[in-house]
Amino acid sequence: DAGVIQSPRHEVTEMGQEVTLRCKPISGHNSLFWYRQTMMRGLELLIYFNNNVPIDDSGMPEDRFSAKMPNASFSTLKIQPSEPRDSAVYFCASSLGAGELFFGEGSRLTVL
Amino acid sequence: QKEVEQNSGPLSVPEGAIASLNCTYSDRGSQSFFWYRQYSGKSPELIMFIYSNGDKEDGRFTAQLNKASQYVSLLIRDSQPSDSATYLCAVNSGGYNKLIFGAGTRLAVHP
Repeated sequence: DAGVIQSPRHEVTEMGQEVTLRCKPISGHNSLFWYRQTMMRGLELLIYFNNNVPIDDSGMPEDRFSAKMPNASFSTLKIQPSEPRDSAVYFCASSLGAGELFFGEGSRLTVL
Repeated sequence: QKEVEQNSGPLSVPEGAIASLNCTYSDRGSQSFFWYRQYSGKSPELIMFIYSNGDKEDGRFTAQLNKASQYVSLLIRDSQPSDSATYLCAVNSGGYNKLIFGAGTRLAVHP
């Protein structure tokens, strides 16, 4: 299995620009999670989906952040407009039911 | 109070010693508990999970759970330099396998 696939691996952008991060979960997994990791705040859960439906988005920091899962094999996390404080590593993870969370390699975002 | 708390470390132990990593959590309703390891620049990977009070052993790793004290720990026996990493405690909070992570403890095993 290819594992969870994220793109881009690295993104450098300027403040105010739109950023779109992409995730392909492991085939057959029915839950998908977006996490953000920084030195100061650790690994924070932003939003998670079950069977493509957003279940809990209470971790999304503000309206500039949005996430979609149009089908079982694809999800996006969008930041518009981006700000320097959004700089972090964004991880996507998937699981089957209550099983192990498998993480992608992460997308490192730098907003200048 | 943070939902999942860990000592950030670094915890430094000599090669061959036992490393003890600790975690406390606030949600008494939590039912499942996980330890992930994260090497620098990499993504977290699962080491162990535990659901019931007591100890669970897997090779050199032992997870311990005390729900009454809301305490989870991970013991690493015969520590190796390759064990040097950040160890993240995660607690299931709510349904759908929603995991809340602690800030992680950095472990350094020196030869």
